[in-house]
Order: sequence, then C-alpha cells, then structure tokens
Amino acid sequence: ILNVEQSPQSLHVQEGDSTNFTCSFPSSNFYALHWYRWETAKSPEALFVMTLNGDEKKKGRISATLNTKEGYSYLYIKGSQPEDSATYLCAFAFNTDKLIFGTGTRLQVFP
Amino acid sequence: DTGVSQDPRHKITKRGQNVTFRCDPISEHNRLYWYRQTLGQGPEFLTYFQNEAQLEKSRLLSDRFSAERPKGSFSTLEIQRTEQGDSAMYLCASSLVGFSYEQYFGPGTRLTVT
Repeated sequence: ILNVEQSPQSLHVQEGDSTNFTCSFPSSNFYALHWYRWETAKSPEALFVMTLNGDEKKKGRISATLNTKEGYSYLYIKGSQPEDSATYLCAFAFNTDKLIFGTGTRLQVFP
Repeated sequence: DTGVSQDPRHKITKRGQNVTFRCDPISEHNRLYWYRQTLGQGPEFLTYFQNEAQLEKSRLLSDRFSAERPKGSFSTLEIQRTEQGDSAMYLCASSLVGFSYEQYFGPGTRLTVT
C-alpha cells in the first residue's frame, strides 16, 4: 500500500510569519510529486509538479524542494498572508496515471 | 476555455436514491479522472479514462458506481442505491498525456446522503 503523509495536519500563523510543511512519500518507483492549494469552494489549484531529485521550484512567496532518495518534499511560504489560507495537498505519482494524495495541511493565516 | 467544470456543485439525496454527476474537462485533454474525498482524508482515486476507454477502476468503486465517457469528452459518474457512506466530495480532473504531468481539477460535487 502506497502511503503519502503530510505534516502538520493544521497550522495557525500570524500574517508575516514564514512557514513550511512536509510531505513524505515512497522513495521507490518515483515519477512525480505534485503540490496543490485548495481554497474552500474552489478547485484545487496546481502549485508545482516536481520530477527530479534536488528540484527546487518557486512561485512568488511559495517554494518547494524535493528529495526523491529519502522520499520527502518541503513546501515553504515566506511572509504568509491571509489569502494564503487554504489546504495544501501533496500527491505522489508512480506513473502517468492516478495521483495518491496525502491528507493535506490546513493553513490559517490571521491578520 | 474556463477549465474543468462539474455539475451539480451540491447534491442532497435520500438513502437508496440514484444520483448522477457530470464533469466537463478542458476541451483538448484526453485523460479524465474521478477522485473522492471524505472528511479528514485526501482525495482518493476512483477511476480514469483515456479518451472514451476506462483504463482503471479502484477497488473503492463498488458495483453501485458506474462511470462513462461516451464520446471522449464529458464524463458522468452514477451512484445507484446511495448509502450514507457515499457522502463525500467527488472531484474530476483532466490532463493531456504526453504534454504535461499536471492534472487540472474541477470544483467538485458535494454529495450528502440523508
């Protein structure tokens, strides 16, 4: 059974704080690692797709790193804003087919 | 193109009734996926299509569930004789295999079985 774990389950931070989340996934048969942001009542939004060990990707204040050998990825948010409040999901792919999701990290940023 | 759309957004039904959901993918995408999310869990894979062919079904998809993609465009997911355990968010996603790894999601259909 392939297991994808995310921590923490939830996080409450003040506006301006920087924060990071962890995604752990199987280190064998790796194909890709996806990060999504899911705001209430909206579609999950793709943040990053990472495929190579050592990959680092950045979009504005959000960045992610990937270690396929040890099976983890970190997502960082610098200077959190209230609009960053959402559930952040990671998903592991061992081929081009289905994604295997973690349970998500729910982030709330207070003004 | 406005992305992946799903209809309805919310459905409340009584136990034992049949329900059908629709997904319209991004128009040029050849892959279409269905996932289900229950409370406290991440989305779980149900099934996917490449064009009109259903290529994989999860063990989660009992024989009360059926999915179709008749012309390789929109897809429907039907649940017969709904049970309270079917209450969940049903998500649809689409992708263009061979071009990108990304799956693009719709907003989901929230099903409540009373």
